[in-house]
Amino acid sequence: AQSVAQPEDQVNVAEGNPLTVKCTYSVSGNPYLFWYVQYPNRGLQFLLKYITGDNLVKGSYGFEAEFNKSQTSFHLKKPSALVSDSALYFCAVRDRDRGSTLGRLYFGRGTQLTVWP
Amino acid sequence: EAGVAQSPRYKIIEKRQSVAFWCNPISGHATLYWYQQILGQGPKLLIQFQNNGVVDDSQLPKDRFSAERLKGVDSTLKIQPAKLEDSAVYLCASSLAVKLGSQQETQYFGPGTRLLVL
Repeated sequence: AQSVAQPEDQVNVAEGNPLTVKCTYSVSGNPYLFWYVQYPNRGLQFLLKYITGDNLVKGSYGFEAEFNKSQTSFHLKKPSALVSDSALYFCAVRDRDRGSTLGRLYFGRGTQLTVWP
Repeated sequence: EAGVAQSPRYKIIEKRQSVAFWCNPISGHATLYWYQQILGQGPKLLIQFQNNGVVDDSQLPKDRFSAERLKGVDSTLKIQPAKLEDSAVYLCASSLAVKLGSQQETQYFGPGTRLLVL
């Protein structure tokens, strides 16, 4: 079975401090991993993804994520948080070994990030 | 490049009524997805189209939900009759998705349709 866990419903951080939003996953094969951000009353916006190669992936708006196969984790990070980063963040996984099934993404429940000025 | 378009943005109906949502994907994207996002949860895939064919509808409640993508471009999702538990945001996404493992695998989402069933 494929699943994603985001263990924190909320993350609060002061502006200028580093932030981490945690994600762990479970797939039967090798994973494709994604992070999306959702602002109020808007759809999900793609931030970054891990397909293969370097375990550290850099994405939009200064975000990065590190793939750790042994810990089955894909934590989202940013060195210096901005108030405008406040939003709902979703981690998602797809099992790359599912043959011709191209699409299904499994999402976590989301983590609400609040950056205080 | 225009994004994924959805309409309406909001819909309020009474239970047992029917409702339809429309999606126009990014131009040239072969794959289209409909997701249901219930408050406090992540999106859950309802149905996936590759061009105008269904790839995955295993989680679509087929007794009340239906979807089509007749010309391989726009898509409609219908609920008939609606139940209270169908209150959610319905997200449409598209991807180029020509080949598994390629850069085209990113799914791009529309703004969603927020449905409230009373």
